[in-house]
Amino acid sequence: SAVISQKPSRDICQRGTSLTIQCQVDSQVTMMFWYRQQPGQSLTLIATANQGSEATYESGFVIDKFPISRPNLTFSTLTVSNMSPEDSSIYLCSVEKGVTGELFFGEGSRLTVL
Amino acid sequence: GQQLNQSPQSMFIQEGEDVSMNCTSSSIFNTWLWYKQDPGEGPVLLIALYKAGELTSNGRLTAQFGITRKDSFLNISASIPSDVGIYFCAGLGVSQGGKLIFGQGTELSVKP
Repeated sequence: SAVISQKPSRDICQRGTSLTIQCQVDSQVTMMFWYRQQPGQSLTLIATANQGSEATYESGFVIDKFPISRPNLTFSTLTVSNMSPEDSSIYLCSVEKGVTGELFFGEGSRLTVL
Repeated sequence: GQQLNQSPQSMFIQEGEDVSMNCTSSSIFNTWLWYKQDPGEGPVLLIALYKAGELTSNGRLTAQFGITRKDSFLNISASIPSDVGIYFCAGLGVSQGGKLIFGQGTELSVKP
């Protein structure tokens, strides 16, 4: 498995501001992923964070809104830019470890936008 | 996009009862994963399945990879109050481009 730490664990933000979420893993990993979980919903993949290259975004998510950094093999950040109340969600960092496709998740960052 | 149909959406059971939930898909998966999410936490991996027909247990939890590779179920025996949470299935297959697809979740409530 992997130990994944996210900061902040929760925050309340004002409309129009930006927030950067940090994800730290206790070991080097190739693939890191960012998910969004809207209230009462399942998990939706935002993007795959690749070390040394641009993140790969899923349909419906763009770099200007969700810029991602991946400076090394143990750390990544996700920024939620120009926030609106619709961005209120839990944002989850995950890493792939194990035999095939097993994802391990951080505890999530619960964001409330007023 | 590709979706997994997970049912039931929610369950209210008495402590000690057995629970069963399942996921189905229109396409084939090579891997099925089952997660549990407690309130305010990230999902935690419970069981991973890699072969059609595979039956795997983790304590009181048992999961099976359907023989058609399009479905999986999770059983919880003799439920206890700490089983409360949301259970997600997730599948990985070639047609999903290597990305894990999640079901909608089953919210389990256990009455002591």
